[in-house]
Amino acid sequence: IAGITQAPTSQILAAGRRMTLRCTQDMRHNAMYWYRQDLGLGLRLIHYSNTAGTTGKGEVPDGYSVSRANTDDFPLTLASAVPSQTSVYFCASSVERTPYNEQFFGPGTRLTVL
Amino acid sequence: AQKVTQAQTEISVVEKEDVTLDCVYETRDTTYYLFWYKQPPSGELVFLIRRNSFDEQNEISGRYSWNFQKSTSSFNFTITASQVVDSAVYFCALSEARTGSSGSARQLTFGSGTQLTVLP
Repeated sequence: IAGITQAPTSQILAAGRRMTLRCTQDMRHNAMYWYRQDLGLGLRLIHYSNTAGTTGKGEVPDGYSVSRANTDDFPLTLASAVPSQTSVYFCASSVERTPYNEQFFGPGTRLTVL
Repeated sequence: AQKVTQAQTEISVVEKEDVTLDCVYETRDTTYYLFWYKQPPSGELVFLIRRNSFDEQNEISGRYSWNFQKSTSSFNFTITASQVVDSAVYFCALSEARTGSSGSARQLTFGSGTQLTVLP
């Protein structure tokens, strides 16, 4: 049982390049999330998805897009990366997007934009 | 808007000492949920506990205990007889139950985390 996998583990990217971070879960959870973790700021929600076919904006969505074509996959795309998007990105999932369901997190992707 | 404050950025203790990690939250909702997550050096976040706003009973799980006090809007986490393996960043988080136009409802808001180092 893998839970949530993320790829790549880390990436160095030139500013202006397009990048897609991959996330796959095998728990059949309906809800999925993307967070970024920055020192001193904790985790901030970028985008979420209640269920396959739907997405929503979180606290810091600018510069990012997501899609949810099926239950398992929830890729995050940076259309044109900027240095301020240097961060550690975590994908998470929960059974449903309710306030009481705990979220399960992937191992993270460390992204550096130069 | 909901907010979580973890005033302790870093704490260092010697093994076997007890340590308390503070968490203070702000919310206008009467129904909400509080969480603690652990992030060890390996990087993944691990769920530790969930508490709803109607249950103020303290909880103990092995060496871990949680003190929830609505009167002071706090949800503190104590590790008794700390061990080196407890070294990690610990996050407190809040989720409100109401549905609002801002879209922030049902969103998990994290504190900035407390880096705990347990020295041998």
